[in-house]
Amino acid sequence: AQSVTQLGSHVSVSEGALVLLRCNYSSSVPPYLFWYVQYPNQGLQLLLKYTSAATLVKGINGFEAEFKKSETSFHLTKPSAHMSDAAEYFCAVSAATSGTYKYIFGTGTRLKVLA
Amino acid sequence: NAGVMQNPRHLVRRRGQEARLRCSPMKGHSHVYWYRQLPEEGLKFMVYLQKENIIDESGMPKERFSAEFPKEGPSILRIQQVVRGDSAAYFCASSPEYRAGNEQFFGPGTRLTVL
Repeated sequence: AQSVTQLGSHVSVSEGALVLLRCNYSSSVPPYLFWYVQYPNQGLQLLLKYTSAATLVKGINGFEAEFKKSETSFHLTKPSAHMSDAAEYFCAVSAATSGTYKYIFGTGTRLKVLA
Repeated sequence: NAGVMQNPRHLVRRRGQEARLRCSPMKGHSHVYWYRQLPEEGLKFMVYLQKENIIDESGMPKERFSAEFPKEGPSILRIQQVVRGDSAAYFCASSPEYRAGNEQFFGPGTRLTVL
């Protein structure tokens, strides 16, 4: 079975500071990992995904994430936060189990950017 | 190229009424997924459908909930005899194929409020 744990339901950073959102996964088979962003009253938008190619994945809006198998982690980072980054971020895992590839989402991290 | 469409965006029902949520996938997508997001929680998988077939309904409550994706028209998530605990945001996603690592494209969601 797969699971995802996002540490920190709320994270606050100052504008221009480093953004680090943590995600740890559990999977008995090689996983596919995703980060999605949700702005208020909107659907989810894909930021980036890991599909067993490069372990450092670059996404949209300056975000990137590194897959670390030894730590079972897929943390999301951005060097310099912008006010527009304020949103909720979800990590998700997908792995083939019983012929299905459904997503398992974490509980989300709400990012607040302080001026 | 329109994205995933969901309607209505907001739905208010009284306890005991029926709720019908509609989802039109992106053009060319034949795989549809429904998720439920309770307040302060992540998205929980409910059901995965292809045209005219329910493939995986492991996340659907056993009673009152049903889903369909007919040959013509949108996918429908139907909740009979709604209760206050059904109040949530319901998201639909679609994908062009069903394989490991595929991206799911999300709609803006339907926010159901049960009075």
